[in-house]
Amino acid sequence: AQKITQTQPGMFVQEKEAVTLDCTYDTSDPSYGLFWYKQPSSGEMIFLIYQGSYDQQNATEGRYSLNFQKARKSANLVISASQLGDSAMYFCAMREGPAAGGGNKLTFGTGTQLKVEL
Amino acid sequence: NAGVTQTPKFRVLKTGQSMTLLCAQDMNHEYMYWYRQDPGMGLRLIHYSVGEGTTAKGEVPDGYNVSRLKKQNFLLGLESAAPSQTSVYFCASSYRANTEAFFGQGTRLTVV
Repeated sequence: AQKITQTQPGMFVQEKEAVTLDCTYDTSDPSYGLFWYKQPSSGEMIFLIYQGSYDQQNATEGRYSLNFQKARKSANLVISASQLGDSAMYFCAMREGPAAGGGNKLTFGTGTQLKVEL
Repeated sequence: NAGVTQTPKFRVLKTGQSMTLLCAQDMNHEYMYWYRQDPGMGLRLIHYSVGEGTTAKGEVPDGYNVSRLKKQNFLLGLESAAPSQTSVYFCASSYRANTEAFFGQGTRLTVV
């Protein structure tokens, strides 16, 4: 079964608007972490934001925020004031702890290709 | 500050040949990972390690072997390459479970 699900293969957003990229996850481990990464066309993986399962507040990093809804097992990425340079592939990832047999493995979703338009 | 370095960056193999991909990190990280990236499939975990001398299977381990004899190095081996192993391979490392993983630049492998 998929541990991380990203249902939007592609998204378009107008420059300066906000956009939400969806991510749902599945784990039985009470201790886990959620990550978002950006992969521009050049291919490198860039870390954006992290949310721990016990964190009380939603994580924010500059224009990035993570809408963490634990009961719904969702961890959506919100990008505010989109810029042309935000055009890239975005990956959601989860690290489970040993309790779920995950042994701290870090698994990724299939990604969402974001295109920012003028 | 090198971070995570993958060697080589590009390689073309013939079916049946073997090769080893090297991942080296200079950040004293405990955790190291090998992924393959294929179009439409995201990053799939091949093998990973939670410390020197330890390895574990990921989602797609068949056809690959790994070793972590030194903390800073994580080797990925293909014993008998197949065209299905044509992919971009990424290595990553992280200090702890709740810290971000740092990625290498990737290795583009083509098996013909």
